[in-house]
Amino acid sequence: EDQVTQSPEALRLQEGESSSLNCSYTVSGLRGLFWYRQDPGKGPEFLFTLYSAGEEKEKERLKATLTKKESFLHITAPKPEDSATYLCAVQARDSGGSNYKLTFGKGTLLTVNP
Amino acid sequence: GAVVSQHPSRVICKSGTSVKIECRSLDFQATTMFWYRQFPKQSLMLMATSNEGSKATYEQGVEKDKFLINHASLTLSTLTVTSAHPEDSSFYICSARQGAAREDQPQHFGDGTRLSIL
Repeated sequence: EDQVTQSPEALRLQEGESSSLNCSYTVSGLRGLFWYRQDPGKGPEFLFTLYSAGEEKEKERLKATLTKKESFLHITAPKPEDSATYLCAVQARDSGGSNYKLTFGKGTLLTVNP
Repeated sequence: GAVVSQHPSRVICKSGTSVKIECRSLDFQATTMFWYRQFPKQSLMLMATSNEGSKATYEQGVEKDKFLINHASLTLSTLTVTSAHPEDSSFYICSARQGAAREDQPQHFGDGTRLSIL
């Protein structure tokens, strides 16, 4: 069964303190790995798509990387407005093998203190 | 671009009531839309895939007679929770991919509907 595991569950940082979030996955036929940001009471906001090992994407203070088994979301010099839950999701074939399905991890709750 | 609107944002109703949730793609057409359910501190769980002009595909364990999905146009999908009970209380979120985008393209999400059944 496909699994997506995110760590840590929660992370507290001081403003300016860089760190990384992890997403490890075990899937068959990966078609893409997606990072989303979710604010309380809101739907996920799309950040990045990664397709193959070695690929990197950047957006402001965020940088996502991908290996064959995991992805990292690096946050450089975070600000309080970066506080949110960060979700990782993988698009891969479902258990039946005929359809593709997006499977989410439980997320990492990031809190950045001023 | 790629804005998905979901309405209503919150519903509180009595047990036995049927509730309809709308999901609209505002600036693009969506052949396929998706309905998810999220419990506190849990991941989003796919309930069903909604295909324009055809029947929805439900995930294992999701009652199709309880959760009715209609995708009547390229910009609108609706989820109706029939005869809702307290255990149906949850956060329901829809998403859509642009046009006939392939499965390796991102889904864009609405802001969800908080359903509370008393």
